[in-house]
Amino acid sequence: QKEVEQNSGPLSVPEGAIASLNCTYSDRGSQSFFWYRQYSGKSPELIMFIYSNGDKEDGRFTAQLNKASQYVSLLIRDSQPSDSATYLCAALLTGGGNKLTFGTGTQLKVEL
Amino acid sequence: DAGITQSPRHKVTETGTPVTLRCHQTENHRYMYWYRQDPGHGLRLIHYSYGVKDTDKGEVSDGYSVSRSKTEDFLLTLESATSSQTSVYFCAISDLGKGQARINYEQYFGPGTRLTVT
Repeated sequence: QKEVEQNSGPLSVPEGAIASLNCTYSDRGSQSFFWYRQYSGKSPELIMFIYSNGDKEDGRFTAQLNKASQYVSLLIRDSQPSDSATYLCAALLTGGGNKLTFGTGTQLKVEL
Repeated sequence: DAGITQSPRHKVTETGTPVTLRCHQTENHRYMYWYRQDPGHGLRLIHYSYGVKDTDKGEVSDGYSVSRSKTEDFLLTLESATSSQTSVYFCAISDLGKGQARINYEQYFGPGTRLTVT
């Protein structure tokens, strides 16, 4: 079992809709979680991080963390075709080294 | 963009040859990482560094070695390349988190190196 699990997708949503991306993690000691966006052929780009239970909003993006249920989600409001990419969820590993473990990513397609 | 460059950006090499990839940063960040990304596996940590001359193994370190003689440079060496090491390699950097919590530790990625071993 991978430490961070994501559905590979593709997740298809119409333009203007809310896209909901989910991630579960196995290490209860993980403190911080990160969402990266990766366009095809490009490097991962940090969108948001969250380390407190609840919601964190940044523009059209909202990250949600539920430590009791061990899941993290990313909501994208008013989805645009330019949001079409693969979204990677990552958890900060316990045990030092400032290391992240990544899920395999969810492909999002925003359709016109 | 974080000041991270990788070289070369593309390389084709033959099985059994040594290969060195370079990561250079201008952010003076303490931590540097090497990942490989393969379909179906996502990003996997190869090695990381927590300071000059301080390195440690990651999840998939077999067949790879690293060196960090300066804060700004982190080298990844494939001693004898194999076809299974064909991949896209990303370097990343991070530093201590900001603020009272100091637990965010976000990583920023370089542009990547596409390596093909024939």
